[in-house]
Amino acid sequence: TQLLEQSPQFLSIQEGENLTVYCNSSSVFSSLQWYRQEPGEGPVLLVTVVTGGEVKKLKRLTFQFGDARKDSSLHITAAQPGDTGLYLCAGPPKGGGSQGNLIFGKGTKLSVKP
Amino acid sequence: KAGVTQTPRYLIKTRGQQVTLSCSPISGHRSVSWYQQTPGQGLQFLFEYFSETQRNKGNFPGRFSGRQFSNSRSEMNVSTLELGDSALYLCASTRAASTDTQYFGPGTRLTVL
Repeated sequence: TQLLEQSPQFLSIQEGENLTVYCNSSSVFSSLQWYRQEPGEGPVLLVTVVTGGEVKKLKRLTFQFGDARKDSSLHITAAQPGDTGLYLCAGPPKGGGSQGNLIFGKGTKLSVKP
Repeated sequence: KAGVTQTPRYLIKTRGQQVTLSCSPISGHRSVSWYQQTPGQGLQFLFEYFSETQRNKGNFPGRFSGRQFSNSRSEMNVSTLELGDSALYLCASTRAASTDTQYFGPGTRLTVL
């Protein structure tokens, strides 16, 4: 069974601090996605990484896909209260599967205090 | 363009009852997926429908079923509710292809007493 493990589970920081959250698996994924979910809403896609070693930037967020495509990280620079939410990584299962059939990690709940 | 809509947003049922949840995808989207989200297990895939056919199915008991209509709207049904079925049920739609971006609705919060 393919699993995605995220760490840390919870993170509470002050505005302006930097942070990194991790998404790890013992399995190879063809791609990984990162979502952010806010209370009362569904997850919103932030980025998809496809190539091993790939780095993508979205303003203050930097996403990296591991060389072996078994892990990914999300780094936030100078966190702001608006970054508060549940960060989820997800990937399609081995043997195909579509974007409509994803394996999700349990998420990192981030709280940024002003 | 309107997003994915789910009804109802909140639902309270008792053990043994059945429930039907509804999802309207983004206009033009033909694929609808359902996920169950709980604090302990996170987001788990239930099933995916495309053009009224089930394309993929997760590892849930037969009490969980779904269907898709010709207008791409989808329903999921849970029969003989158990306490452990309490969860946020999320619906997501994609245009069609397996690589299309998935857009989630706000979910239906089901509480089983």
